[in-house]
Amino acid sequence: KAGVTQTPRYLIKTRGQQVTLSCSPISGHRSVSWYQQTPGQGLQFLFEYFSETQRNKGNFPGRFSGRQFSNSRSEMNVSTLELGDSALYLCASSGKLSTDTQYFGPGTRLTVL
Amino acid sequence: GQSLEQPSEVTAVEGAIVQINCTYQTSGFYGLSWYQQHDGGAPTFLSYNALDGLEETGRFSSFLSRSDSYGYLLLQELQMKDSASYFCAVSPRDSSYKLIFGSGTRLLVRP
Repeated sequence: KAGVTQTPRYLIKTRGQQVTLSCSPISGHRSVSWYQQTPGQGLQFLFEYFSETQRNKGNFPGRFSGRQFSNSRSEMNVSTLELGDSALYLCASSGKLSTDTQYFGPGTRLTVL
Repeated sequence: GQSLEQPSEVTAVEGAIVQINCTYQTSGFYGLSWYQQHDGGAPTFLSYNALDGLEETGRFSSFLSRSDSYGYLLLQELQMKDSASYFCAVSPRDSSYKLIFGSGTRLLVRP
């Protein structure tokens, strides 16, 4: 079974721009969660999508948004980029239960200049 | 709020046993998970404790005590490849968060 894939792997943007990251979950997984990882704040939950609906949400500003398609693929968008948005963005997929194990993708390394 | 505390760094010798602790303050959760992350890599799932007690998976064991708000990951027969960061995480009940992670423990295994 193929794992979680994320594209692109690396991205460089400038302040004020917007960015879209993509995640393809493990086949059969309908839950996709997004996390931000930085040296200072660690791993922080952004949001979770299940069956095209946002099911859970962390404490991030509205500049961070996401969506999920009918094939369970998900995208997250960050608008009006700030320097502090530089981070590794990780996507994880899992089954339908809240307690199902999450499997992480390799991440997208975003650098904002 | 909900928080999980871990030691920032642990050093051990190849072949030895090491324990990584996780203490937490949370109102309620489904279970405690452990993830391993090598530099530049993705977190990979190691173990999950839904109930109090010990769970064993090969060289790795994890323990949970809800009454003590405490858990740990035990790594036996350490290998150089075990050098990585280890994170505990909880799946909170009655919360909009999917997983809340600890700050992570960097394990350095020396020959």
